[in-house]
Amino acid sequence: SQTIHQWPATLVQPVGSPLSLECTVEGTSNPNLYWYRQAAGRGLQLLFYSVGIGQISSEVPQNLSASRPQDRQFILSSKKLLLSDSGFYLCAWKTGGETQYFGPGTRLLVL
Amino acid sequence: AQSVTQLGSHVSVSEGALVLLRCNYSSSVPPYLFWYVQYPNQGLQLLLKYTSAATLVKGINGFEAEFKKSETSFHLTKPSAHMSDAAEYFCVASQGGSEKLVFGKGTKLTVNP
Repeated sequence: SQTIHQWPATLVQPVGSPLSLECTVEGTSNPNLYWYRQAAGRGLQLLFYSVGIGQISSEVPQNLSASRPQDRQFILSSKKLLLSDSGFYLCAWKTGGETQYFGPGTRLLVL
Repeated sequence: AQSVTQLGSHVSVSEGALVLLRCNYSSSVPPYLFWYVQYPNQGLQLLLKYTSAATLVKGINGFEAEFKKSETSFHLTKPSAHMSDAAEYFCVASQGGSEKLVFGKGTKLTVNP
């Protein structure tokens, strides 16, 4: 069966520091991968998605970037965090069909 | 643009009572529809999905939803609430072939003993 992991589970970072969040999927091949942010009172916002290695689509211009170095690995990065980057980051995957399956999330607090 | 409306940001029921969470979508073409549940500090878990095969969809944990095209609705129900059902519920739409999901704002369900 397929499983999705996100690392780390929680993170507290100072403003201006770099960021790297990792998402990995097991038990499937060539998934579409997604990064979402869930900020308090603002619902879920799609940040990036990828349909293959090295292919990244950005939905919202911002302080973040994404990379997909391997088929089942999706990384969310920032060179300098802002206070507004705080939130709950969710990774999701799908293969065929329309259903996206979500990971456990990473709670990021920027101070 | 497609939108999803969840009526009621907070719903409170007694344990054992009927749970009804409302969702309406706006689209001339019926989309794929989903209900997800989110427990505190966790990711979203798929409860059920409508993909045009059947209008009454049964999901996990005793939940079901009925697709009504004439009302553009996809309300979520459970006959008898359990304390463990307390969570936030999201109604989500997807237009075939699109990578983007359209999320409702969520309904937080409280179950009182």
